[in-house]
Amino acid sequence: SQTIHQWPATLVQPVGSPLSLECTVEGTSNPNLYWYRQAAGRGLQLLFYSVGIGQISSEVPQNLSASRPQDRQFILSSKKLLLSDSGFYLCAWSEGTNTEAFFGQGTRLTVV
Amino acid sequence: AQSVSQHNHHVILSEAASLELGCNYSYGGTVNLFWYVQYPGQHLQLLLKYFSGDPLVKGIKGFEAEFIKSKFSFNLRKPSVQWSDTAEYFCAVIMDSNYQLIWGAGTKLIIKP
Repeated sequence: SQTIHQWPATLVQPVGSPLSLECTVEGTSNPNLYWYRQAAGRGLQLLFYSVGIGQISSEVPQNLSASRPQDRQFILSSKKLLLSDSGFYLCAWSEGTNTEAFFGQGTRLTVV
Repeated sequence: AQSVSQHNHHVILSEAASLELGCNYSYGGTVNLFWYVQYPGQHLQLLLKYFSGDPLVKGIKGFEAEFIKSKFSFNLRKPSVQWSDTAEYFCAVIMDSNYQLIWGAGTKLIIKP
């Protein structure tokens, strides 16, 4: 069966520090991969998605970037965190573009 | 712009009450529809989905949803809720124009024991 791992679960980082959140999927190949940000009362905002290695699409301008160095690995990064980057970040995967997504446990990021 | 609306941000019910959470979308083409649930401290889980066929779909834990195309709606229902149904519920839609999941803002459901 397929599983998705996202870490760390919580992270406290100072303003201006770099960020690296990692997500890996097991049990499937060539998944679509997604990074979402979940804000209270506002649902999920799609940040990045990838349909293959090295292919990244950005949905909104951010202080963040994403990379997919391997088929089942998706990384969310920032060179310098801002206070406004605080939030709950979710990684997800799907088998195609027209089907349900499966989510990781999420990372609660607090920038101080 | 394509969007998904969940009418209630907070719902409080007593155990055994019936539940209906509204979801409407704004798109005239073909859609795939989903309800997700997020229990406290847990990850988002798929509750049920509709792709085609019978517009009344059954999900896990006694939930069901009905797709009414003429009303652009996909409301979630459960005849008798339990305390363990306390969670946040999200409606999501894939529209054939862009094949991305578009999410509602979520409804926080609190069941009083």
